[in-house]
Amino acid sequence: SAVISQKPSRDICQRGTSLTIQCQVDSQVTMMFWYRQQPGQSLTLIATANQGSEATYESGFVIDKFPISRPNLTFSTLTVSNMSPEDSSIYLCSARRDSAGELFFGEGSRLTVL
Amino acid sequence: AQSVAQPEDQVNVAEGNPLTVKCTYSVSGNPYLFWYVQYPNRGLQFLLKYITGDNLVKGSYGFEAEFNKSQTSFHLKKPSALVSDSALYFCAVRDSAGFQKLVFGTGTRLLVSP
Repeated sequence: SAVISQKPSRDICQRGTSLTIQCQVDSQVTMMFWYRQQPGQSLTLIATANQGSEATYESGFVIDKFPISRPNLTFSTLTVSNMSPEDSSIYLCSARRDSAGELFFGEGSRLTVL
Repeated sequence: AQSVAQPEDQVNVAEGNPLTVKCTYSVSGNPYLFWYVQYPNRGLQFLLKYITGDNLVKGSYGFEAEFNKSQTSFHLKKPSALVSDSALYFCAVRDSAGFQKLVFGTGTRLLVSP
């Protein structure tokens, strides 16, 4: 298994500001992903964080709104830019070691935008 | 494109009784199937997976799941439910061919009564 640490765990933000969420894995992983989840709802994949190159975004998510970095095999950041109340959600970092492996998840970052 | 369905929003069971949480899937190739559990205000925890081999997969906390290719199902089961099993359960699937994202079901809330 892998231990994934996310911070902040929660934050309250003002409309129009940006927030960066950090994700640290305790060992090297091949794949890292960012998901969004409304409380009690299913998960929606935002993007795949690619090490050393631009992230791969899912339909409906763009780099200008959700810039992602992955400078090495254990660390990634997700920025939520120019936030609006609609961005209030739980953002989850996840990682996978190999192509057939399961995803491991961080505890999530709960953002509230006022 | 792959998809997964969890037909029950909630499953109620008495402690000590067997439980089943249903999941059906659709993929174009061979499936990789997963079950996750989420407790309130926590990230997702991996329970078990089917990649290949024996159709009956055993996982954490006494849970098991049976892969049924003809019915395209992967139901989660436990012989004797505990109150502490009460949580939100997610089934997920992805195609084994190439890079495919993991798609999650809508989740099933399990409520185990004393």
